[in-house]
Amino acid sequence: AQSVTQPDIHITVSEGASLELRCNYSYGATPYLFWYVQSPGQGLQLLLKYFSGDTLVQGIKGFEAEFKRSQSSFNLRKPSVHWSDAAEYFCAVGAYRGGSNYKLTFGKGTLLTVNP
Amino acid sequence: EAGVAQSPRYKIIEKRQSVAFWCNPISGHATLYWYQQILGQGPKLLIQFQNNGVVDDSQLPKDRFSAERLKGVDSTLKIQPAKLEDSAVYLCASSSGQGYGYTFGSGTRLTVV
Repeated sequence: AQSVTQPDIHITVSEGASLELRCNYSYGATPYLFWYVQSPGQGLQLLLKYFSGDTLVQGIKGFEAEFKRSQSSFNLRKPSVHWSDAAEYFCAVGAYRGGSNYKLTFGKGTLLTVNP
Repeated sequence: EAGVAQSPRYKIIEKRQSVAFWCNPISGHATLYWYQQILGQGPKLLIQFQNNGVVDDSQLPKDRFSAERLKGVDSTLKIQPAKLEDSAVYLCASSSGQGYGYTFGSGTRLTVV
């Protein structure tokens, strides 16, 4: 079964600083990989996704992520953080388990605090 | 396009009471999911529907939770009776399938007291 590990529970950065959120996955085949963001009291919004091809994927709000198969990682990055980026970030891996049984499995999330 | 609609947004009930949540997915999305998100944790899949059939309900506590999607469109999730540990946000998501990400609703925040 697939699994996702987000090693950092909470990260604090200053506004304007660069950001990297870590994500490691476990899955036997090439996975579908996603990053979601959740603001307080809101549902999850898709930031970006990787299916195949170029291992560096661009998303919304200036985020990007790089798929590294050798490290089973899919880290999220942003060169300059804005105060509005403060939220919780979830990495997820999607996989088929036969037929139409496609499932996303989420990590426990990383809470991002942005200092002015 | 309209997003995934969920209601109510908030619900407070006493333990042993029953509660129901409603979800209307994006039009045309055949796959519908219910997730439970406990504070401080990532979402956990409760049940997955493909049209009006259940694909995966392996993590649904069937002694107290039930869900249906009778016409293959909107869905309801019910808890009866509720326990304190059911306090969580219940997220509904839909997908057009084929490996895409989901579109999530805003969720229902349940507090059991």
